[in-house]
Amino acid sequence: EDQVTQSPEALRLQEGESSSLNCSYTVSGLRGLFWYRQDPGKGPEFLFTLYSAGEEKEKERLKATLTKKESFLHITAPKPEDSATYLCAVSRAGYSTLTFGKGTMLLVSP
Amino acid sequence: GAVVSQHPSRVICKSGTSVKIECRSLDFQATTMFWYRQFPKKSLMLMATSNEGSKATYEQGVEKDKFLINHASLTLSTLTVTSAHPEDSSFYICSARVGPGNTEAFFGQGTRLTVV
Repeated sequence: EDQVTQSPEALRLQEGESSSLNCSYTVSGLRGLFWYRQDPGKGPEFLFTLYSAGEEKEKERLKATLTKKESFLHITAPKPEDSATYLCAVSRAGYSTLTFGKGTMLLVSP
Repeated sequence: GAVVSQHPSRVICKSGTSVKIECRSLDFQATTMFWYRQFPKKSLMLMATSNEGSKATYEQGVEKDKFLINHASLTLSTLTVTSAHPEDSSFYICSARVGPGNTEAFFGQGTRLTVV
């Protein structure tokens, strides 16, 4: 059974204070690892897809990295508008569905 | 990214009635759409996978007669909650994949269902 564990559950940062979110996964035949951002009362917004260990992707203040066991979402100099819940999900080769973690709720204070 | 539109964003219905939620892919054809349910401060729980022109595949524990899914076209899937009860109150979200070879899924805005 695929498993995705995200840590921490919640993270409070000061504006400009860089940090990382962790996503540990267990999946038989990883097809892709996904990061989404979810604002309260909204659907998830796609951020990144990572396919193989060593891959990195960046978007503005966010950078996602992938190893064989985990992924990190690095947030550099965050701003209050980065406050949201960040979800990690994996898909298995041969399957169309995603398995989600419980998310990390990020709060960035001005 | 691709746009998925979900309607309505909020709905309140009386216990025992049915409510339909629509999910449309606006700028692409979605051969596969997914329906999720999300409880407060919990992650997304997959309810069912719908493929255009065929019956939906429901996850274990999801009542197919209660949650009717229709995927009649490549741009529209609907979820009908039949004989709704207060315990069906939740946040329902749909998603769609751009194509069978594409792993990325894009999500609708979600529908907050409240059954009174």
